[in-house]
Amino acid sequence: AQSVTQPDIHITVSEGASLELRCNYSYGATPYLFWYVQSPGQGLQLLLKYFSGDTLVQGIKGFEAEFKRSQSSFNLRKPSVHWSDAAEYFCAVLPNTGKLIFGQGTTLQVKP
Amino acid sequence: ETGVTQTPRHLVMGMTNKKSLKCEQHLGHNAMYWYKQSAKKPLELMFVYSLEERVENNSVPSRFSPECPNSSHLFLHLHTLQPEDSALYLCASSQDRTGGRGGYTFGSGTRLTVV
Repeated sequence: AQSVTQPDIHITVSEGASLELRCNYSYGATPYLFWYVQSPGQGLQLLLKYFSGDTLVQGIKGFEAEFKRSQSSFNLRKPSVHWSDAAEYFCAVLPNTGKLIFGQGTTLQVKP
Repeated sequence: ETGVTQTPRHLVMGMTNKKSLKCEQHLGHNAMYWYKQSAKKPLELMFVYSLEERVENNSVPSRFSPECPNSSHLFLHLHTLQPEDSALYLCASSQDRTGGRGGYTFGSGTRLTVV
């Protein structure tokens, strides 16, 4: 069955430190992959997406993600975290069923 | 502004009330979705509409009744809800029901509290 796993439920980093949020998926082929961010009380905002081609994709707000087929992973990174990055982050895959499948989400806390 | 607008942003209703949630998109998308987001639970897909036709109902109780009068508007009619229905209800749209290369665009959600 298709699934998405975000192993870290909660992560705390210091402002200015680097960040990596993990995402693993289970799917037979290469799906479309997405990262969304949700601030408290808000909807989901698309950070970046991967369809094909270059495995390192750039997104908004200084985020990037790398697709690694061999590891079935699509980890999100940012070199220097800002306090405004505190939010919940969702990894999602879009298989050919057309139904977006979300991970459980990772809550990011940023320490001053 | 995400391109998908949901109203109201907050709603408090009694268990005997009838209310409706509204979603509107002007992105030219042909598929629209309702999701439920409860605390400490994954996002739950409730309904899928493609070209105004309901193509999926994920075992949602009948106290939730969707309506899609045209490709730009989606409603969720609520009646005789239970306290456990309190959640953030998110609307999304996509180019077509395959999701398209753009994925889904989400609204800001309606925070529903049932008392």
